[in-house]
Amino acid sequence: KQEVTQIPAALSVPEGENLVLNCSFTDSAIYNLQWFRQDPGKGLTSLLLIQSSQREQTSGRLNASLDKSSGRSTLYIAASQPGDSATYLCAVRPYSGAGSYQLTFGKGTKLSVIP
Amino acid sequence: AAGVIQSPRHLIKEKRETATLKCYPIPRHDTVYWYQQGPGQDPQFLISFYEKMQSDKGSIPDRFSAQQFSDYHSELNMSSLELGDSALYFCASSSLQAIGYEQYFGPGTRLTVT
Repeated sequence: KQEVTQIPAALSVPEGENLVLNCSFTDSAIYNLQWFRQDPGKGLTSLLLIQSSQREQTSGRLNASLDKSSGRSTLYIAASQPGDSATYLCAVRPYSGAGSYQLTFGKGTKLSVIP
Repeated sequence: AAGVIQSPRHLIKEKRETATLKCYPIPRHDTVYWYQQGPGQDPQFLISFYEKMQSDKGSIPDRFSAQQFSDYHSELNMSSLELGDSALYFCASSSLQAIGYEQYFGPGTRLTVT
């Protein structure tokens, strides 16, 4: 059974700092990995999707990398801003020809950016 | 751009009652997923539908059932509600024609069982 772990569980940084969030998964047979942002009590906003054949994806100040063989992904946030404060979740989709499309989520990293 | 729509946004029910949650996927998306997120927990997959047929099943209790209709909207029916069913219920949609089958999530329905 796929297990997804995110470290650290919580992170507090001063505004302007660059930071890295970590995600690891136990089964490397994944189709893709998505990073999400969730504000308190709100829905999930997709930030980046990395296909299993890709090494990284970039969107603005965000850069996500994937090392499928070692079961790791990182989300790099450059020049953090108070508006980046949220919980960041990573989720993996298994590689299956049997129509298994469900995502398995990590428990998230709660980020606080201090002005 | 159109997003996933869920209704109602908030629902309060008493124990043993029944609840119905609705989801309207992004137009032309052919797959719908339901997830449950308990307080302080990560989202857990419940069930999915592809072209109106159940495609995958997760940790969905027998008290819950779901279906996808001809217009592609989906409903999650929950009976004999228990206190532990209080959670945020997300619907997501994706298109198998799109690269990566990226899942787009709705704002969620917050269910409170008292």
